[in-house]
Amino acid sequence: QLQLQESGPGLVKPSETLSLTCTVSGGSIRDKGYYWAWIRQPPGKGLEWIGSIYYKGDSYNGDTYYDPSYRSRVTMSLDTSKNQFSLRLTSVAAADTAVYYCARRVIAATELDYWGQGTLVTVSS
Amino acid sequence: QSALTQPPSASGSPGQSVTISCTGTSSDVGAYNYVSWYQQHPGKAPKLIIYAVNKRPSGVPDRFSGSKSGNAASLTVSGLQAEDEGAYYCSSYAGSSGGVIFGGGTKLTVL
Repeated sequence: QLQLQESGPGLVKPSETLSLTCTVSGGSIRDKGYYWAWIRQPPGKGLEWIGSIYYKGDSYNGDTYYDPSYRSRVTMSLDTSKNQFSLRLTSVAAADTAVYYCARRVIAATELDYWGQGTLVTVSS
Repeated sequence: QSALTQPPSASGSPGQSVTISCTGTSSDVGAYNYVSWYQQHPGKAPKLIIYAVNKRPSGVPDRFSGSKSGNAASLTVSGLQAEDEGAYYCSSYAGSSGGVIFGGGTKLTVL
């Protein structure tokens, strides 16, 4: 059974960088049938797509697809040695306070079939 | 990309059926048969209940069904049960940029 687990600081100061890692177990991020995605949910609000990354091979950084709303601030990466993928979001503000989820996205029909439990990140000084 | 449009709330009594709509555009819902639906209970991660418009993952009851017509998709929950109460989100593939777009969510109340 595939499992995903987010980890990272729960509190980030304004203007600093938010960094989260998703550890995948029960499957491999090298599996070319899937993207690996980040989604967030501000308190009391709906889901927001941040982007996804796809493993192309050990000689590549991975193909990334970012929502235009975040494109100037976001970076996603893969660490195949640890079976992890990561999110970096720069210049955060209070509006970036949210529960951040990592998930697996199926290439064929784009559904998000496995999700992590989510981690709350609060942006505050 | 604008969010897909869902009604903020829906309700029904146990045993009844309820349908939740999800309206997009000819660039997302209307262009691809890649509409998914997610169920979310308070404090929990979303759970996939419908993908590719009308397919159910293993373990999802057949009380949940999906459909699409033009730029709009729908989720129908038949035989409502108390545990169906929660938030429901639709999503769609949004084109060659590789993006996914979500609806604003619908809170389903079982009366």
